[in-house]
Amino acid sequence: AQSVTQPDIHITVSEGASLELRCNYSYGATPYLFWYVQSPGQGLQLLLKYFSGDTLVQGIKGFEAEFKRSQSSFNLRKPSVHWSDAAEYFCAVGAGDSSYKLIFGSGTRLLVRP
Amino acid sequence: DGGITQSPKYLFRKEGQNVTLSCEQNLNHDAMYWYRQDPGQGLRLIYYSQIVNDFQKGDIAEGYSVSREKKESFPLTVTSAQKNPTAFYLCASSIGEDSTSTDTQYFGPGTRLTVL
Repeated sequence: AQSVTQPDIHITVSEGASLELRCNYSYGATPYLFWYVQSPGQGLQLLLKYFSGDTLVQGIKGFEAEFKRSQSSFNLRKPSVHWSDAAEYFCAVGAGDSSYKLIFGSGTRLLVRP
Repeated sequence: DGGITQSPKYLFRKEGQNVTLSCEQNLNHDAMYWYRQDPGQGLRLIYYSQIVNDFQKGDIAEGYSVSREKKESFPLTVTSAQKNPTAFYLCASSIGEDSTSTDTQYFGPGTRLTVL
């Protein structure tokens, strides 16, 4: 069965520093991969997605992610973090059974130091 | 503006009462979903519907019920059989194209349910 692991529950970075959030997936074929962001008490906003093609995907708010099949990873990166990036980030993979379902990781909470 | 609306934003319920959470979308999406979110557990799928008048159980359907009588509406009822209903509930929708095995889900702002 498909699964998603986000190994870091919390990450703290200083404003202006670079960021990398880890995501590992388990999937038999080429996965559909997503990153979402959630501010406290809000819904999820799509940051970026990978369906096929170029393995480096650009998203909104200056985020990017790289699909690495050999490592079963889809890590999210940002070169310079802003205080407004403090939120919870979720990685997700398509269930791959024609149901359109997504399997979510447990999330990584990002804290930004001034 | 196109989007997904959920109401109410906050909901309080006494033990033993059923409550219904509203989810409406004007994106003309075929597929809709309900998730439950608890701290530290990410999102868990309750029910989903790929087309009007059809829906499927997700991973944690016990104690919940849904209906899909209209394309734009997918209400969730939390019944008294749900043992621990206090949580944040998120509704989502997607195009639901047949040509792909998954597609992008778009989320509403959520409803926080508290059982008193």
